[in-house]
Amino acid sequence: DAGVIQSPRHEVTEMGQEVTLRCKPISGHNSLFWYRQTMMRGLELLIYFNNNVPIDDSGMPEDRFSAKMPNASFSTLKIQPSEPRDSAVYFCASSKQGLFYEQYFGPGTRLTVT
Amino acid sequence: GENVEQHPSTLSVQEGDSAVIKCTYSDSASNYFPWYKQELGKGPQLIIDIRSNVGEKKDQRIAVTLNKTAKHFSLHITETQPEDSAVYFCAASDTNAGKSTFGDGTTLTVKP
Repeated sequence: DAGVIQSPRHEVTEMGQEVTLRCKPISGHNSLFWYRQTMMRGLELLIYFNNNVPIDDSGMPEDRFSAKMPNASFSTLKIQPSEPRDSAVYFCASSKQGLFYEQYFGPGTRLTVT
Repeated sequence: GENVEQHPSTLSVQEGDSAVIKCTYSDSASNYFPWYKQELGKGPQLIIDIRSNVGEKKDQRIAVTLNKTAKHFSLHITETQPEDSAVYFCAASDTNAGKSTFGDGTTLTVKP
């Protein structure tokens, strides 16, 4: 299995631009998670999908952040407009079903907003 | 909301010694406690987990203990090896509410 695939691996953008991060979960996994990791705030769960439906988005920091999962094999995390404080590593993870099962993390996308 | 505290933030041990990392949590609704290992430039990887109906779980050199009454859980690594060097994160999850909170991480260094 290829594991969780994220793209791009690195993104550098200017403040105010729209950023779209992409994730392909492991085939057969029904749950998908988006995390953000920074030195200041550590690892934070942003949003969690189960069977393509958002279960909890209380971790999404602001209305500038949105996430979609149009089908079982693809998800996006969009930031519009981006700000320097959004600079972080964004991880996508998937599991067979929910939080009780092992989450497999992707390699992450390092976002830098200048 | 849930608050997870992890200690120590850094830990240095000699190869072959044991390492212990401790976490406390605040929300009694948390029922699932995974531990992750993160190597530089990579995503976290689950190394062991425990559910709230179990007090201890062991997998070769790694073990986790859970004290629900005191709301704390610990990771124990025995016979440490240099390849155990990494950042370790604990997490407390309320699987019914779909919430997961991570500790701040412990940087473990195993000296050969």
